[in-house]
Formats: sequence, structure tokens, C-alpha cells
Amino acid sequence: DQQVKQNSPSLSVQEGRISILNCDYTNSMFDYFLWYKKYPAEGPTFLISISSIKDKNEDGRFTVFLNKSAKHLSLHIVPSQPGDSAVYFCAASRRGTSYDKVIFGPGTSLSVIP
Amino acid sequence: DTEVTQTPKHLVMGMTNKKSLKCEQHMGHRAMYWYKQKAKKPPELMFVYSYEKLSINESVPSRFSPECPNSSLLNLHLHALQPEDSALYLCASSQDERVRKAFFGQGTRLTVV
Repeated sequence: DQQVKQNSPSLSVQEGRISILNCDYTNSMFDYFLWYKKYPAEGPTFLISISSIKDKNEDGRFTVFLNKSAKHLSLHIVPSQPGDSAVYFCAASRRGTSYDKVIFGPGTSLSVIP
Repeated sequence: DTEVTQTPKHLVMGMTNKKSLKCEQHMGHRAMYWYKQKAKKPPELMFVYSYEKLSINESVPSRFSPECPNSSLLNLHLHALQPEDSALYLCASSQDERVRKAFFGQGTRLTVV
């Protein structure tokens, strides 16, 4: 049973336009969310995160929006660049007694077309 | 230095072999992790080390044996693996196990034949 879902396996966007990657989760106890980017033959790289006490976090071209009532978050990339072509993983976690386990979604492959 | 270095990058081993994967970080992080990632699937947590002690074992078969010789190094010893264990093995680290932002290595692509 997937607790973190990314229902679009792939997405193609024109260079300069906005990329919107979506993520849904089922566990209302999740209190921290992260986005990682992964290029082929490399490990995931942290991109941006958001705590459940916020509904938006911005870092340069990347903005993450959190809608707790809908258990939905999205990553906006504006403007999209060819170098943004990668697999994007949404991840969620909750405070545990000893360890805050991070659960990853299945990923969305983004292609930015020049 | 914000790197997590994993060796080897690729490994092919037989089902009767014993091999080890290595991971190193020099960021002063006190939590280190092993993840397994199958093709087109998300990374799945295997082990967590916190301050050089095994903190979490996510019900991983005993043919995978982790070891943390010091705060910078993490090994994964492999013995009697099965072909279905073929995957990308990722090492990661974070400041401590309460810090959820992690730095990942590039992984070891393991093929069991």
C-alpha cells in the first residue's frame, strides 16, 4: 500500500514554461515533506522541503505547495530548463519515537524540451 | 565537502560469493543509511546507523550485514545473495537521525548472477 503517490510517471514541458509535479499522500500524520531530484547513474539530490506548518516554500525557481486538507503537494519549477530533466521523487515523513522514517514516492520523470 | 562516496560503482557477483559495499562521508554526519532501489521504484530503507550504532533494521534478510567501523564509514557485507537482490544500493547520511534531509551517494549497481 503506497503511502506516497506520484500518479504521473512522466511529464514533458517546453523550456521556459512551468513544470508542475504532483504528489499525494495517505497518512495524515506526515509532518515533513521533501523533493529529491535524480539524474541517471547518480544518487538522489535534495531539492526543497516543507514542514506541515507551512503551505508554501520557495527556493529560487522551485516552489513547493502543501494542501494538508487534500493531502496533496506540488512542486513548481519556473522557468523550466533542459538541465531540470530528471526523475523527481516526493518524500514524506513523520516524527517517530527514535527515527523519522522517510518514505519515497515512485517518482516522476520530467523532460524539458529545448 | 558535501559528498557521499560509494564504491564500487558496479558489482557483479555470484550467489556463493561474499562481497562488500563501501560508503564514506566527511560532513560530520552522525546518521548513515542504506537504501535499496529496484528499477522504476522508489528507494526503500534497509538500515539506519545513528552515532555508529545500528538504530533501525527494516526486516532485511541476514544475507545483508551492515557495519559502521567509524563515524565516516559504512559498509554493507553481502553473502549468498539471490538474483532478486540485484538493484541499486544507495548510501545516505544526515546530520543525525532526526534530520530528514539526507545526502545520497551515487549508488552501487549490483547484479547477482
